[in-house]
Amino acid sequence: EPEVTQTPSHQVTQMGQEVILRCVPISNHLYFYWYRQILGQKVEFLVSFYNNEISEKSEIFDDQFSVERPDGSNFTLKIRSTKLEDSAMYFCASSRPGYGYTFGSGTRLTVV
Amino acid sequence: AQSVTQPDIHITVSEGASLELRCNYSYGATPYLFWYVQSPGQGLQLLLKYFSGDTLVQGIKGFEAEFKRSQSSFNLRKPSVHWSDAAEYFCAVGAGVDGGSQGNLIFGKGTKLSVKP
Repeated sequence: EPEVTQTPSHQVTQMGQEVILRCVPISNHLYFYWYRQILGQKVEFLVSFYNNEISEKSEIFDDQFSVERPDGSNFTLKIRSTKLEDSAMYFCASSRPGYGYTFGSGTRLTVV
Repeated sequence: AQSVTQPDIHITVSEGASLELRCNYSYGATPYLFWYVQSPGQGLQLLLKYFSGDTLVQGIKGFEAEFKRSQSSFNLRKPSVHWSDAAEYFCAVGAGVDGGSQGNLIFGKGTKLSVKP
């Protein structure tokens, strides 16, 4: 069964550093998403991406965040200057009409 | 505003016993509803989804859920729980069209399931 692949599985970074989280969505999916789950809390929507542009974003997705689909397969989330409160599990997802959403296994980001 | 409520933070059941996890939603139109399961340190696995049609939905691992519009509920059930079912379960509502595959998902806070031997 097709999977959404996320790398790395765990990243540790120093406060103020930039991080890029990478995702390879399912190849024939059209919509791409990033979600965040702070430890012990619920999964929160960050941003959705369709047709090479952001289609929707939440209040969490401020100017420190950006997304990009640099080629035909990767979908990235960049955090420009990480803060302690950015520590969380970040999930990538992709979807296609009629097929629902598929989530990746997540990247655990730890900001120290 | 859309919201999802899972009133039970933690449930413990004995292996072999039946299970029901509650989910209530608030959404103005016909919702697209999902249940996901998350094992510790793992990603989100889709158990089942409701888009339209039959209100009783069958999923993987022997789970089922029933959509009740009058109660704004989408409770997850399993007739006999196995120790491997211990995990966290999330209910979600989607605002999407075209089969619920566009737009973001709103998640509940999750219910942690523990299984006693």
